[in-house]
Amino acid sequence: GAVVSQHPSWVICKSGTSVKIECRSLDFQATTMFWYRQFPKQSLMLMATSNEGSKATYEQGVEKDKFLINHASLTLSTLTVTSAHPEDSSFYICSARENYNEQFFGPGTRLTVL
Amino acid sequence: AQSVSQHNHHVILSEAASLELGCNYSYGGTVNLFWYVQYPGQHLQLLLKYFSGDPLVKGIKGFEAEFIKSKFSFNLRKPSVQWSDTAEYFCAVNGPGGGNKLTFGTGTQLKVEL
Repeated sequence: GAVVSQHPSWVICKSGTSVKIECRSLDFQATTMFWYRQFPKQSLMLMATSNEGSKATYEQGVEKDKFLINHASLTLSTLTVTSAHPEDSSFYICSARENYNEQFFGPGTRLTVL
Repeated sequence: AQSVSQHNHHVILSEAASLELGCNYSYGGTVNLFWYVQYPGQHLQLLLKYFSGDPLVKGIKGFEAEFIKSKFSFNLRKPSVQWSDTAEYFCAVNGPGGGNKLTFGTGTQLKVEL
């Protein structure tokens, strides 16, 4: 099956710094990538949808200037959490799909902001 | 907006017991329905999906789900669980009208005891 990787798998940073998370589709071309956030014991919440070469579409309530998404190639999307604060601590998961096929999920990135 | 409810947050079963996990969604238009599984330390994987046709869907590892449109439900079943089925299970709905957005339920943690 298709493989999606995320890097890093976990990151700890100081409040006020920015953190970049990478999402890669390893064996297919991801025309669309999705970024989710998961709080403990809660469901995955879609943050944004990005199509290669286009600006991301953010869900209501997600600050686009806070969570910068870049999808510059068909195999890579990045999520940058800018000026991170403790309330941004969460589990961030990406998924990718080729055209309108099934979404394949990455293993997630645990972000802890001190 | 679409919402997805999973009624059982934690389920503990003995091996060989039968499993049924509930999933209900709120919006009754055209929807696509999914069950995902997340084994400990691993990423989300697709168990099965319903787009159209036979409302009884067979998935991997002996799982099946039945779409009952009148009840807005898509319950997951397995006649005889194994210890290796210990995982978290998420129901997700894509819709109304298909499209990009997957709305997830809060998940059900299943523990199968020997």
